[in-house]
Amino acid sequence: AQSVTQLGSHVSVSEGALVLLRCNYSSSVPPYLFWYVQYPNQGLQLLLKYTSAATLVKGINGFEAEFKKSETSFHLTKPSAHMSDAAEYFCAVSDRGTGGFKTIFGAGTRLFVKA
Amino acid sequence: NAGVTQTPKFQVLKTGQSMTLQCAQDMNHEYMSWYRQDPGMGLRLIHYSVGAGITDQGEVPNGYNVSRSTTEDFPLRLLSAAPSQTSVYFCASSYSMASGLSSYNEQFFGPGTRLTVL
Repeated sequence: AQSVTQLGSHVSVSEGALVLLRCNYSSSVPPYLFWYVQYPNQGLQLLLKYTSAATLVKGINGFEAEFKKSETSFHLTKPSAHMSDAAEYFCAVSDRGTGGFKTIFGAGTRLFVKA
Repeated sequence: NAGVTQTPKFQVLKTGQSMTLQCAQDMNHEYMSWYRQDPGMGLRLIHYSVGAGITDQGEVPNGYNVSRSTTEDFPLRLLSAAPSQTSVYFCASSYSMASGLSSYNEQFFGPGTRLTVL
């Protein structure tokens, strides 16, 4: 069964500092991987996705993630945090074997950005 | 396009009451799903549909019913509300995107319904 584990339910960084949100996946087949962001009182929106075309994936708002098969990881990074990045971030995996329409989400990491 | 819309935004129920959460999408997506979001647990799949007339259970289906009579609509019914169903409910729609020899789905989410069961 597929799963994702997000390390750290809360991460706090200063404005301008590096953002690193960790995600490890478990899948018996090469996975599709996603990062979603949820701003307060809103639904989730897609930040970026890995579909095997390239291991380093660039997304919206300056975020990127690197797929590392040897480490079963898909960590999300941003070189310089902005106050507007404060939100909850979800890593997700979907199984190619089922046609990819079942998406499994991690528990989420809430990012706090200090001025 | 309105995307994925959900009504109501907020609802308070008493234990044992029934209600329907509405979800509609105008993107002609074949797949639709219902998730619940609880603190520290991420999003958990309740039910999903791969097309009109076809539905299946997700991770936490008990206490919920769905139907899909049209491509656009995917209502979620709570048959007899319980306090354990207090949660934020998200509807999502998606379509298959080809990737090499396989495919994946990118989910588009509605704004959510915050449900409290007393």
